[in-house]
Amino acid sequence: GAVVSQHPSWVICKSGTSVKIECRSLDFQATTMFWYRQFPKQSLMLMATSNEGSKATYEQGVEKDKFLINHASLTLSTLTVTSAHPEDSSFYICSARTLERGGELFFGEGSRLTVL
Amino acid sequence: GENVEQHPSTLSVQEGDSAVIKCTYSDSASNYFPWYKQELGKRPQLIIDIRSNVGEKKDQRIAVTLNKTAKHFSLHITETQPEDSAVYFCAARQQAGTALIFGKGTTLSVSS
Repeated sequence: GAVVSQHPSWVICKSGTSVKIECRSLDFQATTMFWYRQFPKQSLMLMATSNEGSKATYEQGVEKDKFLINHASLTLSTLTVTSAHPEDSSFYICSARTLERGGELFFGEGSRLTVL
Repeated sequence: GENVEQHPSTLSVQEGDSAVIKCTYSDSASNYFPWYKQELGKRPQLIIDIRSNVGEKKDQRIAVTLNKTAKHFSLHITETQPEDSAVYFCAARQQAGTALIFGKGTTLSVSS
């Protein structure tokens, strides 16, 4: 149990376009989802915390108008990278927390974004 | 906020040797310390975790120790195998509802 699915797994887009990444908890309800960004050979950096039905909380330095996060249901959170630029190219990973498993975090497969 | 430091950044060992990775954290309120293994291009996989009410935990070849007073915790892998080669991340968390804060990672290479 506790499967988190992320889609798409990889995406290539042109500079200036927007890209939406979905994160779904398949067999549990995720009251909280976290979005991380990982540049090559670097660590996972927390971007934002998203609670179902409320606005996301962004970490310092992360532009909320550029990285739109929606958590409309207990099983789905989306991250939209708006007006993407090459420097936004990265590995984006979501993680979901379930109360049923003592708060353990489960990670999605990750989405590799390449902006040309 | 929490800050997690991890050392070393790279570690090379011979098959069968032990490997130790160390992390320190800054926030004394942190109470949950997981370790993740990440292979290239894949999601992090939880390999072991420890909570602040425990000093040591072991699972086969993997063990984690925690020193709350010194605010550091370590991952110990014994009898390393080539398939242990990966990037390992430590992390810390204050409360069950907050995010994990990760260390910078350690690239472990096990040569046969």
